[in-house]
Amino acid sequence: NAGVTQTPKFRVLKTGQSMTLLCAQDMNHEYMYWYRQDPGMGLRLIHYSVGEGTTAKGEVPDGYNVSRLKKQNFLLGLESAAPSQTSVYFCASSRRLAGGPNEQFFGPGTRLTVL
Amino acid sequence: GDSVTQMEGPVTLSEEAFLTINCTYTATGYPSLFWYVQYPGEGLQLLLKATKADDKGSNKGFEATYRKETTSFHLEKGSVQVSDSAVYFCALSDNYGQNFVFGPGTRLSVLP
Repeated sequence: NAGVTQTPKFRVLKTGQSMTLLCAQDMNHEYMYWYRQDPGMGLRLIHYSVGEGTTAKGEVPDGYNVSRLKKQNFLLGLESAAPSQTSVYFCASSRRLAGGPNEQFFGPGTRLTVL
Repeated sequence: GDSVTQMEGPVTLSEEAFLTINCTYTATGYPSLFWYVQYPGEGLQLLLKATKADDKGSNKGFEATYRKETTSFHLEKGSVQVSDSAVYFCALSDNYGQNFVFGPGTRLSVLP
């Protein structure tokens, strides 16, 4: 199993450009998440999904959109990139358990720079 | 809202020293608690977890006990190794797995 994979690994954008980050998982997990990691701030949740066709906002959703058309994929879109979106982006997935939350499995991250 | 506070470090120790990284939380209800580790250039990996009060999570020599009375989940290891150098994140989750909150992370450097 590949686990959680992210594409691309690195990207440089100019202000105003758009892009899509792809996350894929092969563990048949119901839940998927997008985080951004900034120095001294830990991980902050951008959007998440509890199942195919459903998405919800996290702590810092502004400037981002997401889609979960297939259970194994979770896409994060930036329609008009801004320098404040320079960050490392992590995707994660987890199973849904009746007794409560399970661990999250993380991808290797995408380093995005917006000039 | 829910939050996690942990010592930000960096923490620098000599090999075989005792490690404690403090973590406290505020949450409604009874969250599950986690410690994740991030090695350079990689994503986060689960180190250990505890789902109810007085539970002790343990893995690779690391331990943490869920203390409801002090709302804490401190990470400890009796003898650290150079290979333990990483960033450690304390986190909590509600019981529906829909609200994960991470602390800012603590960078640990272990010197030979």
